[in-house]
Amino acid sequence: DTGVSQNPRHKITKRGQNVTFRCDPISEHNRLYWYRQTLGQGPEFLTYFQNEAQLEKSRLLSDRFSAERPKGSFSTLEIQRTEQGDSAMYLCASSDRGNSPLHFGNGTRLTVT
Amino acid sequence: AQSVTQPDIHITVSEGASLELRCNYSYGATPYLFWYVQSPGQGLQLLLKYFSGDTLVQGIKGFEAEFKRSQSSFNLRKPSVHWSDAAEYFCAEAIGSNYKLTFGKGTLLTVNP
Repeated sequence: DTGVSQNPRHKITKRGQNVTFRCDPISEHNRLYWYRQTLGQGPEFLTYFQNEAQLEKSRLLSDRFSAERPKGSFSTLEIQRTEQGDSAMYLCASSDRGNSPLHFGNGTRLTVT
Repeated sequence: AQSVTQPDIHITVSEGASLELRCNYSYGATPYLFWYVQSPGQGLQLLLKYFSGDTLVQGIKGFEAEFKRSQSSFNLRKPSVHWSDAAEYFCAEAIGSNYKLTFGKGTLLTVNP
């Protein structure tokens, strides 16, 4: 169990640029979640995959955001035409079955200037 | 809408003192409840969870929490706080098979020597 890995740890980008983050879940986990955490807030749910299928998306996930999980392994979260309001910590988590707790990665901190 | 309330934004205790962090959940049926801890710049680590059964649950690092349905509460406690416990603590609730978590806004714990 090497834990959930997220890359990069930090990303600074200019407004209007596209960014992509990667999440590698714990290897046997078939469920993968993305959350966003802004300063002073708890994490907010963005989207959820079971294997390669994206089963739920939050209304927070505007059409500038897209997430994929090809082959049900790693996942990517892309933000197009970034805005300053996108600045946040993006957290990935995984679990292996319905009642199994989520294991979180250390997150990717995005700063949009 | 589902919500988790952590009434205390910031708590300061002296090392060795007891600790109680408050959490109220909103879902009326049997919830799945969790406490996570987050150190600065890090992801979230699970302290403990409640699904059903015994209402007093034990977690890691000497933490425990008690589920009280009549008060819709799931307060976190520790009899003697250590300086290393300084962090932000999040209460969370999950409903349904997709295990989507709703987090409170967190309580920042400061430990004085």
